[in-house]
Amino acid sequence: AQSVTQPDIHITVSEGASLELRCNYSYGATPYLFWYVQSPGQGLQLLLKYFSGDTLVQGIKGFEAEFKRSQSSFNLRKPSVHWSDAAEYFCAVTSGNTPLVFGKGTRLSVIA
Amino acid sequence: KAGVTQTPRYLIKTRGQQVTLSCSPISGHRSVSWYQQTPGQGLQFLFEYFSETQRNKGNFPGRFSGRQFSNSRSEMNVSTLELGDSALYLCASHPVPGSSYNEQFFGPGTRLTVL
Repeated sequence: AQSVTQPDIHITVSEGASLELRCNYSYGATPYLFWYVQSPGQGLQLLLKYFSGDTLVQGIKGFEAEFKRSQSSFNLRKPSVHWSDAAEYFCAVTSGNTPLVFGKGTRLSVIA
Repeated sequence: KAGVTQTPRYLIKTRGQQVTLSCSPISGHRSVSWYQQTPGQGLQFLFEYFSETQRNKGNFPGRFSGRQFSNSRSEMNVSTLELGDSALYLCASHPVPGSSYNEQFFGPGTRLTVL
């Protein structure tokens, strides 16, 4: 069965600092991977996705993620965090024909 | 293009009652999936509908049901509400099943509180 682990429940970074959110997945075949962001009281917004090809994918709002098959990871990065990035971030995986399986999420706080 | 809409946005019910939530997908999208989000369990898949047929179902009791109409709008129903059903219920739309799992567009959710 597919599963996703986001080891960090809560991360606090200073505005302007770099950010890396970790995501590890368990899936036998090539996965389709996603990062979503959720602001309080809102639905999920897709940040970026990986299907195949280049393992470094660019997303919206200056985010990027790198797919590392050998480590079963799909970590999300941003070089300089803005206060508006404070939100909850979810990593998700699917085989392409199965429902999305989400990690538990990482809550990001940004301090001045 | 309008996004996914869910109604109502907030709902308060008491134990034993039933509730119906509605989701209107993005125009042209024919698949709708439902998810339950709680602090303890996170985001869990409930079911998916395409062309008025349930295509996949998550591991939830029979009290949770859904349906899809010919215009792709979907409803989910929870009968005999329990306190543990308090959650944010999210609807996601995608063009068609299969490849469309590759990207789902989420609505703002319906916040259900069971007292």
